[in-house]
Amino acid sequence: TQLLEQSPQFLSIQEGENLTVYCNSSSVFSSLQWYRQEPGEGPVLLVTVVTGGEVKKLKRLTFQFGDARKDSSLHITAAQPGDTGLYLCAGATGSNYKLTFGKGTLLTVNP
Amino acid sequence: SAVISQKPSRDICQRGTSLTIQCQVDSQVTMMFWYRQQPGQSLTLIATANQGSEATYESGFVIDKFPISRPNLTFSTLTVSNMSPEDSSIYLCSVGQEQFFGPGTRLTVL
Repeated sequence: TQLLEQSPQFLSIQEGENLTVYCNSSSVFSSLQWYRQEPGEGPVLLVTVVTGGEVKKLKRLTFQFGDARKDSSLHITAAQPGDTGLYLCAGATGSNYKLTFGKGTLLTVNP
Repeated sequence: SAVISQKPSRDICQRGTSLTIQCQVDSQVTMMFWYRQQPGQSLTLIATANQGSEATYESGFVIDKFPISRPNLTFSTLTVSNMSPEDSSIYLCSVGQEQFFGPGTRLTVL
């Protein structure tokens, strides 16, 4: 069973601060995805990373996939209240595209 | 990305009854997945429902409790049978290799 450990579990920061969320596993993933989920809604896909060492940027969000494809990080620069939500990482193995989800990081950005 | 809708968006049900949740996609997709998200928790995969084959269930989930239909490439249903309060969760469908999610069905069992 592949396990994804996310940290921190909860994060409350002030608007304008930077933050990093981590996703770690002992398993190798063929791809890793980050989602953001707001209350009452389904998760929204932010990014998919597939290559070890890959870095992707989405406006103020920077995603990195570890060289060994076992871990990933999400860095948010100058956080805004609109960034508030549950951030989930999910890894896929093999060809069946099944995802294993981390427990999530609940981010609150206070104005 | 696909546009995915689910019905109902929420429901309150009595224990012992069953509820069928629908997932509709605006384009044809081969891969469809059903997840459960219990209160304050992350997502747990219930089953993979690819068109043209029987659904494949994950450990801890059985067909008698969660029967799934996949009649075509744009639609699927998940039934939660003989419900108990422990089945109170958000049920989500997702589609495609990258897995885009529907808005979810919030189920409360009394």
